Amino acid sequence: GDSVTQMEGPVTLSEEACLTINCTYTATGYPSLFWYVQYPGEGLQLLLKATKADDKGSNKGFEATYRKETTSFHLEKGSVQVSDSAVYFCALSHQGAQKLVFGQGTRLTINP
Amino acid sequence: KAGVTQTPRYLIKTRGQQVTLSCSPISGHRSVSWYQQTPGQGLQFLFEYFSETQRNKGNFPGRFSGRQFSNSRSEMNVSTLELGDSALYLCASSFGDTSSGNTIYFGEGSWLTVV
Repeated sequence: GDSVTQMEGPVTLSEEACLTINCTYTATGYPSLFWYVQYPGEGLQLLLKATKADDKGSNKGFEATYRKETTSFHLEKGSVQVSDSAVYFCALSHQGAQKLVFGQGTRLTINP
Repeated sequence: KAGVTQTPRYLIKTRGQQVTLSCSPISGHRSVSWYQQTPGQGLQFLFEYFSETQRNKGNFPGRFSGRQFSNSRSEMNVSTLELGDSALYLCASSFGDTSSGNTIYFGEGSWLTVV
């Protein structure tokens, strides 16, 4: 079945550092890929998405590129802020399905 | 426009009881899905409803059930509660069409504690 694997957390960085959170997936066909973010005590917010190979999703300074050849969708940001501290989830879904398959989440803490 | 609304936000139940959680989707959205989030198992898909019909189901026992009303609002029910049912239950909604990348929006969740 489908699966998503994220890098182990927690990840702790200093403000203005570069961020990469790795995400790889196993799925048949061509799924859509997503990054969701969860702030403490809240639900999930969509951060960015990509629906086909080589698409780049971007939002709030975060970027991720859909790499079919390496089945990856790594999340990157050039300069993180304290407000980026949250749990980040990589997820996939198939066309026509409303079911998301999530990775285990990566907790990110940014220190001032 | 209003987001996905879940009620109640927090509740405590006793083992053996049942619980009903409610979800109002974003206006115009016809698909509602439910997820369970626990520290051990992460985020797991429970089921999805579209136009009052269950369209997809995850691997949960029959104690977990749901329904959707004609106005797209949804409820999920857990009967004979177990300690392991303690979790954050998230509702999500979308237009539910078959296009790729159909964005799914989440509510803030209902925190259930079983004691």
